[in-house]
Amino acid sequence: DTAVSQTPKYLVTQMGNDKSIKCEQNLGHDTMYWYKQDSKKFLKIMFSYNNKELIINETVPNRFSPKSPDKAHLNLHINSLELGDSAVYFCASSQDRARRGNTIYFGEGSWLTVV
Amino acid sequence: EDQVTQSPEALRLQEGESSSLNCSYTVSGLRGLFWYRQDPGKGPEFLFTLYSAGEEKEKERLKATLTKKESFLHITAPKPEDSATYLCAVAGNQFYFGTGTSLTVIP
Repeated sequence: DTAVSQTPKYLVTQMGNDKSIKCEQNLGHDTMYWYKQDSKKFLKIMFSYNNKELIINETVPNRFSPKSPDKAHLNLHINSLELGDSAVYFCASSQDRARRGNTIYFGEGSWLTVV
Repeated sequence: EDQVTQSPEALRLQEGESSSLNCSYTVSGLRGLFWYRQDPGKGPEFLFTLYSAGEEKEKERLKATLTKKESFLHITAPKPEDSATYLCAVAGNQFYFGTGTSLTVIP
């Protein structure tokens, strides 16, 4: 009965490769997010979708492309991976936009290591 | 400019030694202040939401309070299993996370 699930949990890949991380939520929420957490534990928003519409698109390299096939799924595709992309990526969801006071629920994270 | 600051960055407590974590914020039109707990290798786990100054919420050994400028997470008689990183977030013009407080409780 996992609320927000993302796969894979661990991903080790070589520079230049293309990879995807998948995310699904079964909470019936309208809004989904991708966050990146750096080594100092800071959570930085990358993208947010509300009902499949992109509503937040922070300054990230265009090698990162989100895709929301329906409001329960938000995938993250990364092209031409670089060493600096190594981080933990969290998928999350909320009933409506978080800035309206809605609680965000997180998945368990995907640990990406680029070698 | 909206801002969220957590202090201290790290805190070591003896088991049973009560203390407080601080989350100071400057946001336009606060719509909610959130506390999360994050264990190593896990995603942030939601603890509390506070919406207005004076509001308090409790869960086991944790109590969160809110004023117009800051929130405190009080930990009463902590146990080693309370060791984690505690994250604060605020909903204003956007949604902002603080940088967290790493809590270690020593048996």
